[in-house]
Amino acid sequence: NAGVTQTPKFQVLKTGQSMTLQCAQDMNHNSMYWYRQDPGMGLRLIYYSASEGTTDKGEVPNGYNVSRLNKREFSLRLESAAPSQTSVYFCASSSAGGRETQYFGPGTRLLVL
Amino acid sequence: QKEVEQDPGPLSVPEGAIVSLNCTYSNSAFQYFMWYRQYSRKGPELLMYTYSSGNKEDGRFTAQVDKSSKYISLFIRDSQPSDSATYLCATSQGGSEKLVFGKGTKLTVNP
Repeated sequence: NAGVTQTPKFQVLKTGQSMTLQCAQDMNHNSMYWYRQDPGMGLRLIYYSASEGTTDKGEVPNGYNVSRLNKREFSLRLESAAPSQTSVYFCASSSAGGRETQYFGPGTRLLVL
Repeated sequence: QKEVEQDPGPLSVPEGAIVSLNCTYSNSAFQYFMWYRQYSRKGPELLMYTYSSGNKEDGRFTAQVDKSSKYISLFIRDSQPSDSATYLCATSQGGSEKLVFGKGTKLTVNP
């Protein structure tokens, strides 16, 4: 089992460019999450999906959109990247929401110039 | 006030020391308590999981939850250089999809 996979591993964007971060899990989990991690700020939830076909905002959703493509895949889109979106992005999945272990991917390092 | 407060450190200890990492939380509805370990340039991984109050031990690691004082602790005995990582506490309430994370404490264990 690969667990949670994320692509790309690293990306450099110019301000105003768009991109989609991809995430897939092979554990048949219902819940999937996108976080960003910044120095001194910890992990902050951007969006989450409790099940296929549903998505909800987290703590810092502005500037992002998500798509739960199917049970395995959950993508995060930046429509017009800003330097403030420079961060490390983690995708995670869980079998049963907040009361079960969240399994994290390896992260995507994004630099917006 | 953030829902979960965690001293970011950094914390530096000699090999073999006992390490104590702590978090406080404000929401009395939190029931599930976790510690995640994150090595440099990696994703977090679950280290310890506790439901409600009490202690849980796993090898050199002990997790404690005191719901009366809203205090979460992780103890590491006989610390090793391989324990050098950032430790994040996390908690959630029943029925919630979301975990609330502390900011993490960076630990270095020196040989």
